Amino acid sequence: EIVLTQSPGTLSLSPGERATLSCRASQSISSSSLAWYQQKSGQAPRLLIYGASSRATGIPDRFSGSGSGTDFTLTISRLEPEDFAVYYCQQYGSSPRTFGQGTKVEIK
Amino acid sequence: EVQLVESGGALVQPGGSLRLSCAASGLTFSTYWMSWVRQAPGKGLEWVANMNQDGSKKYYVDSVKGRFTISRDNTKNSLYLQMNSLRAEDTAVYYCARDYYSVFDLWGRGTLVTVSS
Repeated sequence: EIVLTQSPGTLSLSPGERATLSCRASQSISSSSLAWYQQKSGQAPRLLIYGASSRATGIPDRFSGSGSGTDFTLTISRLEPEDFAVYYCQQYGSSPRTFGQGTKVEIK
Repeated sequence: EVQLVESGGALVQPGGSLRLSCAASGLTFSTYWMSWVRQAPGKGLEWVANMNQDGSKKYYVDSVKGRFTISRDNTKNSLYLQMNSLRAEDTAVYYCARDYYSVFDLWGRGTLVTVSS
């Protein structure tokens, strides 16, 4: 199975700053089949990005995804207070679908 | 409002069984693949099982094969997960999720399963 490694584990930033989250796969992910989810404390995950770079319905344009092959990035251009959460990447190019271990974006 | 609502979570002893349910509303349930995804306390997400629209295709993560069974009743807009031979490592919040072209685009709030003596 494809192992996804997210870095850093924790990102400490202030509102208004730019956040860059990394997701690296143990083997190439076909057709850029990578998604990103946001999970706030005590809540279910929410789909942000699919196809590596397409925003899901209703997701603000400060969220953007990029990458291909084994290296993918989620960028939040200017952090809003509601963006402090845990972010997971997920690959769906091969079975079983797997998630990364998550990156926590916390208020500095 | 489009929503998924899970139920059935409980405290169960190792080796026991439990059946989770997920009630869908506000969507044409019968037209979607559906999945169960779990999250152990303080841990990350793990896809558990999914099935297609008419129930003819079912897939499981290796760790639950032979113990868990996914099913659905499209007349009741409901998804189920029968869990047998439960182990401590099955302790998690179990989410029902709409499986749209292999991404999970709609999630329920989850139901907690605790396996402990």
